[in-house]
Amino acid sequence: AQSVTQLGSHVSVSEGALVLLRCNYSSSVPPYLFWYVQYPNQGLQLLLKYTSAATLVKGINGFEAEFKKSETSFHLTKPSAHMSDAAEYFCAVSLGGSQGNLIFGKGTKLSVKP
Amino acid sequence: NAGVTQTPKFQVLKTGQSMTLQCAQDMNHNSMYWYRQDPGMGLRLIYYSASEGTTDKGEVPNGYNVSRLNKREFSLRLESAAPSQTSVYFCASSADLFNNSPLHFGNGTRLTVT
Repeated sequence: AQSVTQLGSHVSVSEGALVLLRCNYSSSVPPYLFWYVQYPNQGLQLLLKYTSAATLVKGINGFEAEFKKSETSFHLTKPSAHMSDAAEYFCAVSLGGSQGNLIFGKGTKLSVKP
Repeated sequence: NAGVTQTPKFQVLKTGQSMTLQCAQDMNHNSMYWYRQDPGMGLRLIYYSASEGTTDKGEVPNGYNVSRLNKREFSLRLESAAPSQTSVYFCASSADLFNNSPLHFGNGTRLTVT
């Protein structure tokens, strides 16, 4: 069965600093991986997705993630944090691309200090 | 551009009461989903509908029923609410169940059961 682990329920960075949010997955078959973002009192929005076309995936708002099969990781990064990036971020994995089998991580809340 | 609309936004129920959460999407999507979000638990799938006329159980279906009324609407019913069902409920839709179609979420219904 697939699973996803997000390391760190809270991450705090200064404005302008590197953002690194960690996600490791467990899957017996090639996974499909996603990052979603949730702003306060809103639903989730897709940031980016990995579907085996390229290991480095670029998303919206300057975020990107790199798929590393050897490390079973799909960490999310952004070179320079902005105050507006403060939100909760969820990594998710699905088997066979079925959204009915989409498993979400527990989320990482990102705080950005001025 | 409404996207996914959920009603109501807030609801308080007493134990044993019933209610129906409504969800409608205007993106002509085939697949629709109901999730619950609890602190520190991420999102867990309750039920989903791959296409009009079909529904399937997700990870946590007990205590819930769903109806795919037509292509646009997917409702979630709590027949006899329990305090353990206090949560934030999200409806989502995607173009298809497969093909890595991203999920589009509503803004959620915050339910409290006393």
